[in-house]
Amino acid sequence: GQQVMQIPQYQHVQEGEDFTTYCNSSTTLSNIQWYKQRPGGHPVFLIQLVKSGEVKKQKRLTFQFGEAKKNSSLHITATQTTDVGTYFCAGPLLGAGGTSYGKLTFGQGTILTVHP
Amino acid sequence: SAVISQKPSRDICQRGTSLTIQCQVDSQVTMMFWYRQQPGQSLTLIATANQGSEATYESGFVIDKFPISRPNLTFSTLTVSNMSPEDSSIYLCSVNLLNTEAFFGQGTRLTVV
Repeated sequence: GQQVMQIPQYQHVQEGEDFTTYCNSSTTLSNIQWYKQRPGGHPVFLIQLVKSGEVKKQKRLTFQFGEAKKNSSLHITATQTTDVGTYFCAGPLLGAGGTSYGKLTFGQGTILTVHP
Repeated sequence: SAVISQKPSRDICQRGTSLTIQCQVDSQVTMMFWYRQQPGQSLTLIATANQGSEATYESGFVIDKFPISRPNLTFSTLTVSNMSPEDSSIYLCSVNLLNTEAFFGQGTRLTVV
């Protein structure tokens, strides 16, 4: 079945260090989304990538979508304590007819801790 | 954007009982989604709540255990029935506008004892 794998599961960094999480799908994705969940909070949308090879930046965050549209990465430059949380990638969860209707399948998430 | 109010925010329940979680959206949406997030785990889709028709459940989830109501385009409930400790999770409702970003309720943190 359709699977989205994400590594690493945990990442501990010193404040100021960089951080990267990687996402791999068993199937080609029409798009990939990234979410951040703060401890005790709910997932909050960060970005959606649609095009093959797409790169988008949000301040210190850089998102990439692979050429084959099966993998993606999130890179944070010079982490800050405010970056703490779990980062999830998510792709459309396809039904039998090949349409997702907004349903998502999530990667396992990467828990980021930042030591000041 | 969408604002989703979900309640209760948390509950501690006895095994064998049922809990109904409510979700109210500030705009009309065709579909609402219910996810489960087990402790330290990712989000897993339970079902899609469709207005005017039966909810559609993902593999591993059944209506008898997780009955869903969708009386109108802004409201849905999920009931966790006959609870056991394995049902201890965070339950999240979600909407997806224009098939882009998903918005989530604050979540219901359920502990079954």
